[in-house]
Amino acid sequence: DIQMTQSPSSLSASVGDRVTITCRASQSISSYLNWYQQKPGKAPKLLIYAASSLQSGVPSRFSGSGSGTDFTLTISSLQPEDFATYYCQQNYITPYTFGQGTKLEIK
Amino acid sequence: QVQLVQSGAEVKKPGASVKVSCKASGYTFTSYYMHWVRQAPGQGLEWMGIINPNGGSTSYAQKLQGRVSLTRDTSTSTVYMELSSLRSEDTAVYYCARGVMVRGVMSWFDPWGQGTLVTVSS
Repeated sequence: DIQMTQSPSSLSASVGDRVTITCRASQSISSYLNWYQQKPGKAPKLLIYAASSLQSGVPSRFSGSGSGTDFTLTISSLQPEDFATYYCQQNYITPYTFGQGTKLEIK
Repeated sequence: QVQLVQSGAEVKKPGASVKVSCKASGYTFTSYYMHWVRQAPGQGLEWMGIINPNGGSTSYAQKLQGRVSLTRDTSTSTVYMELSSLRSEDTAVYYCARGVMVRGVMSWFDPWGQGTLVTVSS
């Protein structure tokens, strides 16, 4: 199975900060990488697909980059509603594995 | 709008089985795959398997092979996930999620159902 490793596991930041979350795959997955946001008690929500494409309706402060094994999710200016847990996921091959999550908390 | 609505919470005893439903609306049911993903309390996301509603073919995570079964009813646009021989480690929120295919390649999961809590306890 492809292992997905996110860093950091948790992060404290302030409104207006620029934040970057990293995801590393245990083997090359080209651009088959998605990012999801999950708030407590809610289902995950798609933010970014194919490593860098912004899902319709998602604010432009979210962006994704990378290919191969190393990927990043960047939030350019944190808003109060962005405090949540973020997961990367590879759709290169089954089983479609997820990272362990990055919990973004208010400083 | 596209919507996935799941059945309600379940409490089961160890060794029992559970069947969770996921009713789709707002799109052509047989044109999109459906995944199942689970999340144990305070933990991350684990992919369980996928079903093609057009024909019913399935693929499961090896860890759950033999215990999980995905089926569908095209007349009601509903997908079912059945998990047998339940143990305490199966306590989790179970999600269905629509799978989008792009040029024949499985891509992202969107949208997701609201989740169904399955509690396994004696």
